[in-house]
Amino acid sequence: NAGVMQNPRHLVRRRGQEARLRCSPMKGHSHVYWYRQLPEEGLKFMVYLQKENIIDESGMPKERFSAEFPKEGPSILRIQQVVRGDSAAYFCASSPGTEGLEAFFGQGTRLTVV
Amino acid sequence: GQQLNQSPQSMFIQEGEDVSMNCTSSSIFNTWLWYKQEPGEGPVLLIALYKAGELTSNGRLTAQFGITRKDSFLNISASIPSDVGIYFCAAPRSSNTGKLIFGQGTTLQVKP
Repeated sequence: NAGVMQNPRHLVRRRGQEARLRCSPMKGHSHVYWYRQLPEEGLKFMVYLQKENIIDESGMPKERFSAEFPKEGPSILRIQQVVRGDSAAYFCASSPGTEGLEAFFGQGTRLTVV
Repeated sequence: GQQLNQSPQSMFIQEGEDVSMNCTSSSIFNTWLWYKQEPGEGPVLLIALYKAGELTSNGRLTAQFGITRKDSFLNISASIPSDVGIYFCAAPRSSNTGKLIFGQGTTLQVKP
């Protein structure tokens, strides 16, 4: 039973380019969460999605960031026109349902903006 | 807003020693989670606590859910080099979701 799969593991983008981060949840999990981690800090919640629905995006920056979890395929976190401050590790977690408080995390995508 | 404060921020101990760390908040939570993160990896769930006063073990790890529901403690007994990493406490922002608040972490280094 594969865990939460994120790709790519490392992503380098120039300022102004777009970054697309993918997350495939664990089998049977329909809830996906995205978190951002800056160096030497804890994880900060960004967005919570279920299939085809954004449930809570209160942690997402208002501009340039978007997320989706389509009916088929992985969840995507998209960052448009990246800036140096977007450099961070982005983690995806999944859980089986609203009672699944024990979210399981992927290995993360480390985004570096140059 | 809701915030989790972990202490100590870092620890450097000798192999074989016991370790204690804690997590406090001014808010009440119904669930406390402890994760470990190793370099270049995502957090891995160690222990989940669901009831005030609960004491739960996972091998050499023991965690407690504070009776006030505003704190939690993690103990590691007889530390070994592979215990090295960052330990995070976490709690759900709202009931019954995986939308978590994380502490800032306790970095543990173990000297063989």
